[in-house]
Amino acid sequence: DGGITQSPKYLFRKEGQNVTLSCEQNLNHDAMYWYRQDPGQGLRLIYYSQIVNDFQKGDIAEGYSVSREKKESFPLTVTSAQKNPTAFYLCASSIEGARGANVLTFGAGSRLTVL
Amino acid sequence: GENVEQHPSTLSVQEGDSAVIKCTYSDSASNYFPWYKQELGKRPQLIIDIRSNVGEKKDQRIAVTLNKTAKHFSLHITETQPEDSAVYFCAAHPEGGGGADGLTFGKGTHLIIQP
Repeated sequence: DGGITQSPKYLFRKEGQNVTLSCEQNLNHDAMYWYRQDPGQGLRLIYYSQIVNDFQKGDIAEGYSVSREKKESFPLTVTSAQKNPTAFYLCASSIEGARGANVLTFGAGSRLTVL
Repeated sequence: GENVEQHPSTLSVQEGDSAVIKCTYSDSASNYFPWYKQELGKRPQLIIDIRSNVGEKKDQRIAVTLNKTAKHFSLHITETQPEDSAVYFCAAHPEGGGGADGLTFGKGTHLIIQP
Protein backbone atom coordinates (compact mmCIF):
# COMPACT_ATOMS: atom_id res chain seq x y z
CA ASP A 1 0.00 0.00 0.00
CA GLY A 2 2.50 2.60 -1.21
CA GLY A 3 5.27 1.40 1.10
CA ILE A 4 4.21 3.58 4.03
CA THR A 5 1.78 2.30 6.62
CA GLN A 6 0.09 4.52 9.15
CA SER A 7 -1.97 3.27 12.05
CA PRO A 8 -4.51 3.63 13.36
CA LYS A 9 -6.62 5.09 10.58
CA TYR A 10 -9.07 6.63 13.05
CA LEU A 11 -8.38 7.47 16.68
CA PHE A 12 -10.47 9.05 19.38
CA ARG A 13 -8.90 10.55 22.47
CA LYS A 14 -10.13 12.23 25.59
CA GLU A 15 -8.71 15.60 26.53
CA GLY A 16 -5.59 15.29 28.65
CA GLN A 17 -4.46 11.99 27.14
CA ASN A 18 -1.36 11.42 25.08
CA VAL A 19 -1.68 9.37 21.92
CA THR A 20 0.92 7.86 19.60
CA LEU A 21 0.48 7.52 15.84
CA SER A 22 2.50 4.86 14.09
CA CYS A 23 4.35 5.28 10.78
CA GLU A 24 6.34 2.47 9.17
CA GLN A 25 8.00 2.44 5.73
CA ASN A 26 9.66 -0.34 3.77
CA LEU A 27 11.01 1.88 0.99
CA ASN A 28 14.49 2.17 2.54
CA HIS A 29 14.02 5.94 2.56
CA ASP A 30 16.36 7.97 4.71
CA ALA A 31 14.08 10.89 5.51
CA MET A 32 10.68 10.81 7.20
CA TYR A 33 8.19 13.54 7.98
CA TRP A 34 4.99 14.27 9.84
CA TYR A 35 2.49 16.76 8.43
CA ARG A 36 -0.77 17.97 9.85
CA GLN A 37 -3.67 18.69 7.48
CA ASP A 38 -6.57 20.94 8.47
CA PRO A 39 -9.32 22.15 6.11
CA GLY A 40 -8.14 25.24 4.23
CA GLN A 41 -4.69 25.12 5.88
CA GLY A 42 -2.76 22.89 3.55
CA LEU A 43 -0.06 20.62 4.92
CA ARG A 44 1.99 21.93 7.81
CA LEU A 45 5.25 20.30 8.88
CA ILE A 46 5.39 19.05 12.46
CA TYR A 47 8.71 17.16 12.63
CA TYR A 48 11.17 15.61 10.22
CA SER A 49 14.08 13.22 10.47
CA GLN A 50 16.93 12.80 8.02
CA ILE A 51 18.68 9.88 9.74
CA VAL A 52 18.21 7.48 12.60
CA ASN A 53 18.43 9.01 16.07
CA ASP A 54 18.11 12.53 14.71
CA PHE A 55 15.04 14.70 14.13
CA GLN A 56 14.22 18.37 13.74
CA LYS A 57 11.24 20.55 14.60
CA GLY A 58 9.07 21.78 11.78
CA ASP A 59 6.77 24.79 11.76
CA ILE A 60 4.23 23.55 14.33
CA ALA A 61 6.14 21.21 16.67
CA GLU A 62 4.69 22.49 19.95
CA GLY A 63 2.69 19.79 21.74
CA TYR A 64 4.17 16.96 19.66
CA SER A 65 7.12 14.60 20.10
CA VAL A 66 8.79 12.01 17.86
CA SER A 67 11.48 9.36 17.91
CA ARG A 68 13.56 7.72 15.19
CA GLU A 69 15.14 4.63 16.70
CA LYS A 70 14.89 2.64 13.47
CA LYS A 71 15.14 3.72 9.84
CA GLU A 72 11.74 2.22 9.06
CA SER A 73 9.80 3.80 11.91
CA PHE A 74 8.91 7.38 12.88
CA PRO A 75 6.13 7.46 15.50
CA LEU A 76 4.44 10.72 16.46
CA THR A 77 3.10 11.38 19.95
CA VAL A 78 0.39 13.99 20.33
CA THR A 79 0.68 15.19 23.91
CA SER A 80 -1.87 16.81 26.16
CA ALA A 81 0.02 20.08 25.63
CA GLN A 82 -1.24 20.29 22.05
CA LYS A 83 -4.08 22.82 22.23
CA ASN A 84 -6.05 21.73 19.19
CA PRO A 85 -5.06 18.18 18.28
CA THR A 86 -8.12 17.18 16.23
CA ALA A 87 -6.77 16.88 12.67
CA PHE A 88 -5.67 14.58 9.88
CA TYR A 89 -2.04 13.50 10.27
CA LEU A 90 0.07 12.45 7.31
CA CYS A 91 3.39 10.67 7.48
CA ALA A 92 5.76 10.81 4.49
CA SER A 93 9.21 9.66 3.48
CA SER A 94 11.77 10.53 0.82
CA ILE A 95 15.12 9.46 -0.53
CA GLU A 96 17.91 11.69 0.69
CA GLY A 97 20.67 12.92 -1.57
CA ALA A 98 19.66 11.21 -4.81
CA ARG A 99 17.71 12.14 -7.92
CA GLY A 100 14.21 12.16 -6.63
CA ALA A 101 15.30 13.78 -3.40
CA ASN A 102 12.42 15.65 -1.83
CA VAL A 103 9.80 13.61 -3.71
CA LEU A 104 7.52 12.65 -0.88
CA THR A 105 5.67 9.37 -0.61
CA PHE A 106 2.73 9.72 1.76
CA GLY A 107 0.95 7.28 3.99
CA ALA A 108 -2.84 7.02 4.00
CA GLY A 109 -3.13 9.20 7.09
CA SER A 110 -4.52 8.99 10.62
CA ARG A 111 -7.55 11.00 11.67
CA LEU A 112 -7.40 12.01 15.32
CA THR A 113 -10.48 13.31 17.09
CA VAL A 114 -10.34 14.66 20.61
CA LEU A 115 -13.61 14.28 22.46
CA GLY B 1 11.36 30.64 6.54
CA GLU B 2 9.66 29.95 3.26
CA ASN B 3 6.08 31.13 2.70
CA VAL B 4 3.96 29.76 -0.15
CA GLU B 5 0.72 31.44 -1.25
CA GLN B 6 -1.68 29.53 -3.51
CA HIS B 7 -4.66 30.84 -5.50
CA PRO B 8 -7.50 30.29 -6.01
CA SER B 9 -8.72 28.24 -3.07
CA THR B 10 -11.55 26.83 -5.21
CA LEU B 11 -11.68 26.58 -8.99
CA SER B 12 -14.64 25.31 -10.99
CA VAL B 13 -14.25 24.67 -14.72
CA GLN B 14 -16.28 22.96 -17.42
CA GLU B 15 -15.09 19.57 -18.54
CA GLY B 16 -12.75 19.99 -21.48
CA ASP B 17 -11.66 23.50 -20.49
CA SER B 18 -8.27 24.41 -19.05
CA ALA B 19 -7.47 25.08 -15.39
CA VAL B 20 -4.65 27.20 -14.01
CA ILE B 21 -3.51 27.30 -10.40
CA LYS B 22 -0.93 29.85 -9.27
CA CYS B 23 1.57 29.91 -6.42
CA THR B 24 4.07 32.46 -5.16
CA TYR B 25 6.97 31.85 -2.81
CA SER B 26 9.07 34.11 -0.65
CA ASP B 27 12.52 32.51 -0.36
CA SER B 28 14.68 33.23 -3.41
CA ALA B 29 16.90 30.27 -2.41
CA SER B 30 14.09 27.80 -3.19
CA ASN B 31 14.70 25.86 -6.36
CA TYR B 32 12.46 22.80 -6.21
CA PHE B 33 8.72 23.15 -6.83
CA PRO B 34 6.46 20.09 -6.80
CA TRP B 35 2.70 19.76 -7.24
CA TYR B 36 0.69 17.16 -5.36
CA LYS B 37 -2.84 15.96 -6.09
CA GLN B 38 -5.08 14.68 -3.31
CA GLU B 39 -8.29 12.97 -4.33
CA LEU B 40 -11.09 12.78 -1.80
CA GLY B 41 -10.18 10.40 1.03
CA LYS B 42 -6.79 9.55 -0.46
CA ARG B 43 -3.19 10.45 0.18
CA PRO B 44 -1.41 13.26 -1.71
CA GLN B 45 0.58 12.09 -4.72
CA LEU B 46 3.19 13.89 -6.78
CA ILE B 47 1.94 14.75 -10.27
CA ILE B 48 4.71 16.97 -11.59
CA ASP B 49 7.69 18.92 -10.31
CA ILE B 50 10.14 21.49 -11.63
CA ARG B 51 13.59 22.61 -10.61
CA SER B 52 14.82 26.14 -11.09
CA ASN B 53 17.14 25.40 -13.99
CA VAL B 54 14.12 25.11 -16.32
CA GLY B 55 11.21 27.43 -16.98
CA GLU B 56 8.59 24.90 -18.08
CA LYS B 57 7.89 21.21 -17.88
CA LYS B 58 5.10 19.22 -19.51
CA ASP B 59 3.65 15.77 -18.92
CA GLN B 60 0.72 14.99 -21.21
CA ARG B 61 -2.15 17.26 -20.14
CA ILE B 62 -0.36 18.91 -17.25
CA ALA B 63 2.40 21.50 -17.30
CA VAL B 64 4.19 23.65 -14.79
CA THR B 65 5.79 27.02 -15.48
CA LEU B 66 8.28 28.82 -13.27
CA ASN B 67 9.25 32.49 -13.14
CA LYS B 68 12.17 32.78 -10.72
CA THR B 69 12.44 36.53 -11.10
CA ALA B 70 8.85 37.04 -10.01
CA LYS B 71 8.99 34.07 -7.62
CA HIS B 72 5.87 32.41 -8.91
CA PHE B 73 4.98 29.11 -10.53
CA SER B 74 1.77 27.75 -12.02
CA LEU B 75 0.08 24.46 -12.78
CA HIS B 76 -1.77 24.18 -16.08
CA ILE B 77 -4.21 21.37 -16.82
CA THR B 78 -5.64 21.19 -20.34
CA GLU B 79 -8.67 19.28 -21.59
CA THR B 80 -9.88 18.71 -18.05
CA GLN B 81 -11.64 15.46 -17.21
CA PRO B 82 -13.81 14.37 -14.25
CA GLU B 83 -10.89 12.48 -12.72
CA ASP B 84 -9.00 15.77 -12.42
CA SER B 85 -11.37 16.78 -9.61
CA ALA B 86 -9.22 16.91 -6.47
CA VAL B 87 -7.32 19.22 -4.16
CA TYR B 88 -4.00 20.37 -5.60
CA PHE B 89 -1.10 21.55 -3.45
CA CYS B 90 1.94 23.44 -4.60
CA ALA B 91 5.13 23.40 -2.56
CA ALA B 92 8.59 24.90 -2.45
CA HIS B 93 11.82 23.63 -0.99
CA PRO B 94 14.02 26.24 0.67
CA GLU B 95 17.29 24.54 -0.29
CA GLY B 96 16.27 22.60 -3.36
CA GLY B 97 17.72 19.50 -4.97
CA GLY B 98 18.78 17.91 -1.74
CA GLY B 99 18.36 18.16 1.98
CA ALA B 100 15.46 16.52 3.68
CA ASP B 101 14.21 19.38 5.79
CA GLY B 102 10.69 19.34 4.48
CA LEU B 103 8.64 21.09 1.86
CA THR B 104 6.55 24.18 2.53
CA PHE B 105 3.08 23.70 1.07
CA GLY B 106 0.45 26.11 -0.15
CA LYS B 107 -3.03 25.86 1.34
CA GLY B 108 -4.45 23.96 -1.59
CA THR B 109 -6.88 24.51 -4.46
CA HIS B 110 -10.07 22.50 -4.71
CA LEU B 111 -10.54 21.89 -8.43
CA ILE B 112 -14.08 20.99 -9.48
CA ILE B 113 -14.74 19.73 -12.99
CA GLN B 114 -18.31 20.44 -14.05
CA PRO B 115 -19.83 17.95 -16.51
